[in-house]
Amino acid sequence: QVTLRESGPALVKPTQTLTLTCTFSGFSLSTSGMCVSWIRQPPGKALEWLARIDWDDDKYYSASLKTRLTISKDTSKNQVVLTMTHMDPVDTATYYCARISATGGWFDPWGQGTLVTVSS
Amino acid sequence: QSVLTQPPSVSGAPGQRVTISCTGSSSNIGAGYDVHWYQQLPGTAPKLLIYGNNNRPSGVPDRFSGSKSGTSASLAITGLQAEDEADYYCQSYDSSHVVFGGGTKLTVL
Repeated sequence: QVTLRESGPALVKPTQTLTLTCTFSGFSLSTSGMCVSWIRQPPGKALEWLARIDWDDDKYYSASLKTRLTISKDTSKNQVVLTMTHMDPVDTATYYCARISATGGWFDPWGQGTLVTVSS
Repeated sequence: QSVLTQPPSVSGAPGQRVTISCTGSSSNIGAGYDVHWYQQLPGTAPKLLIYGNNNRPSGVPDRFSGSKSGTSASLAITGLQAEDEADYYCQSYDSSHVVFGGGTKLTVL
């Protein structure tokens, strides 16, 4: 059974850097074709894709957020970490991680999500 | 403003059939990228509903079906049930970047 779980701070201050961790089980990010993405959803709004990291350490970022995002993985711990710099109240959202296969292109499954509020 | 356009809301009575459209362009759906659909029940994470335009993952009822033509895709739900009330999102790619639709809220009357 594949599961993913997001963890990180529930509250960050404006200008701070957010660090989120996705801990997963049921698959390995060293397996060819496996990838993990981060997606966020502001309250009451639509989904927005943020970043993706592949089994071979290739990385992809949202064009609009590329300068603020860094994604990395620790294969031995089954974890993927996302950092987002210069947080702003508009970044308040539920952040999800999800597995994606390089050939398929769809997200399945998703983690439960973690709500991050940006406020002073 | 989402790259893929969905109607903000649709509604139907129990037992009826509803469709949700997802309109793109020549750089995404029209370029041949597959469309995937997700169901998000209130207060929960999105769940894969349809992948590769018209394929259902194990466990998804056959009341749900997907199609794609040209620069658009559609999700159809037949035999509408109260438990289908949720937000639905389409997803594809645009110049190799992931794009989502703005989401459609389905209300079961």
